[in-house]
Amino acid sequence: AQSVTQLGSHVSVSEGALVLLRCNYSSSVPPYLFWYVQYPNQGLQLLLKYTSAATLVKGINGFEAEFKKSETSFHLTKPSAHMSDAAEYFCAVSGDFGNEKLTFGTGTRLTIIP
Amino acid sequence: EADIYQTPRYLVIGTGKKITLECSQTMGHDKMYWYQQDPGMELHLIHYSYGVNSTEKGDLSSESTVSRIRTEHFPLTLESARPSHTSQYLCASKGQLATGELFFGEGSRLTVL
Repeated sequence: AQSVTQLGSHVSVSEGALVLLRCNYSSSVPPYLFWYVQYPNQGLQLLLKYTSAATLVKGINGFEAEFKKSETSFHLTKPSAHMSDAAEYFCAVSGDFGNEKLTFGTGTRLTIIP
Repeated sequence: EADIYQTPRYLVIGTGKKITLECSQTMGHDKMYWYQQDPGMELHLIHYSYGVNSTEKGDLSSESTVSRIRTEHFPLTLESARPSHTSQYLCASKGQLATGELFFGEGSRLTVL
C-alpha cells in the first residue's frame, strides 16, 4: 500500500529565509507525487506534481520539489519565504497498481515570522 | 481556477438530523471523491466514484452515503447526524489522465451539537 510521511507538523521560518518541507513516500510502483497547499477555510490547491518526467519539478508561487528515488523523498522548497506562504501543506502519493486515489500525509503548517 | 462547488460551506445542526452536503463540478470529470479532514490530521478518503451509478467506499469507514446520478453531481448524505460526524468534508474531482491532479472544492464544515 502507498503511504506518505511528512516530518514536522509545524515549521516556522523568517520572512526571506529558505523554506524546506519534508515528505517521504512509500509505493510499490513508480509513484506520482503531489504537493498541495491549503489556506484557512479553503480547499486544497495544487502546488506541483511529479509524474516520472524531470526529477526537479517547479510549481506555482516559486516553490519546487525534487524527486529522489534512492531516498524515497519529495521535499518541497522555496528559496525565500513570503508572508503569503503561511498555510498548510500536504504531500500526496498515487500510483499503486493504477490506483487513482491519492493518499495524503498529515500536513505541515508553515508559519512565517516577520 | 477549479470549477467545483460545495454547499453549504458551514452547517451547525442538532443530533439526529438528516443532512446532505452538495458537490457539483462543471469540468465534465468522471472521477469524484469525498475526503474527511480533521485538524492536524491527514485527509481520509471516505467515498469515491468513477462515473455515473458507480460509488465505492474509501479507506476510512463512514456512516455517510453518496450517490452519482449525474456526472456533475456527487452529494453526501448523513441520515442521522451525531457529534462524532463533526468535521470538514472536502469534495474533489479528477480528469481522465492517471497523472492528473485532484481539483478540490472549498469544503463543508459540519458541526453537530
